[in-house]
Amino acid sequence: DAGVIQSPRHEVTEMGQEVTLRCKPISGHDYLFWYRQTMMRGLELLIYFNNNVPIDDSGMPEDRFSAKMPNASFSTLKIQPSEPRDSAVYFCASSLGLAGLTDTQYFGPGTRLTVL
Amino acid sequence: GENVEQHPSTLSVQEGDSAVIKCTYSDSASNYFPWYKQELGKRPQLIIDIRSNVGEKKDQRIAVTLNKTAKHFSLHITETQPEDSAVYFCAASKNSGYSTLTFGKGTMLLVSP
Repeated sequence: DAGVIQSPRHEVTEMGQEVTLRCKPISGHDYLFWYRQTMMRGLELLIYFNNNVPIDDSGMPEDRFSAKMPNASFSTLKIQPSEPRDSAVYFCASSLGLAGLTDTQYFGPGTRLTVL
Repeated sequence: GENVEQHPSTLSVQEGDSAVIKCTYSDSASNYFPWYKQELGKRPQLIIDIRSNVGEKKDQRIAVTLNKTAKHFSLHITETQPEDSAVYFCAASKNSGYSTLTFGKGTMLLVSP
């Protein structure tokens, strides 16, 4: 398996533009997580899905952020409109489960977002 | 919710020395404690984890210890090498239901040749 795949790897955009980040989890993994990483706040969980259903979106900063998972192999994180403070590295991760020995999370390579 | 504190934020050692990174957690129900290594510009990768039914786990030069009474766990790296230089994150979860990982802020380990 190729692991978790994210695109694009780098995104530079101007304030006010819409940004869409994409993720393909490891095949067979039932859980998908979106994280944001900054120097100040570290790794923050934004939202996670179980079997394509959003379970907890309490980490989503505000209404400008939205996430979808239309099928088991694809998820998007959208920011509209984007702001400079959204600049960060966004990671997608997936796992088989949340309990027992299935809970190891595998991270994608991340998308480095810069909002000018 | 869970709160994970990690210390130190930066650690510099000479090659061959040992390095210790410590984390404390707040939720006594947490029972799964993984450690991730993130090299510069790369993704976090799991290097070792421990579950609450054991007090110590070792994998070559890396070991993790857990003290559930005190609610802290530590990562020990022996005979450090320059390629150990990275940011290390600890995390904790209840490993059940809809419990997810809560990460510490990370420790930047610098190993000088």
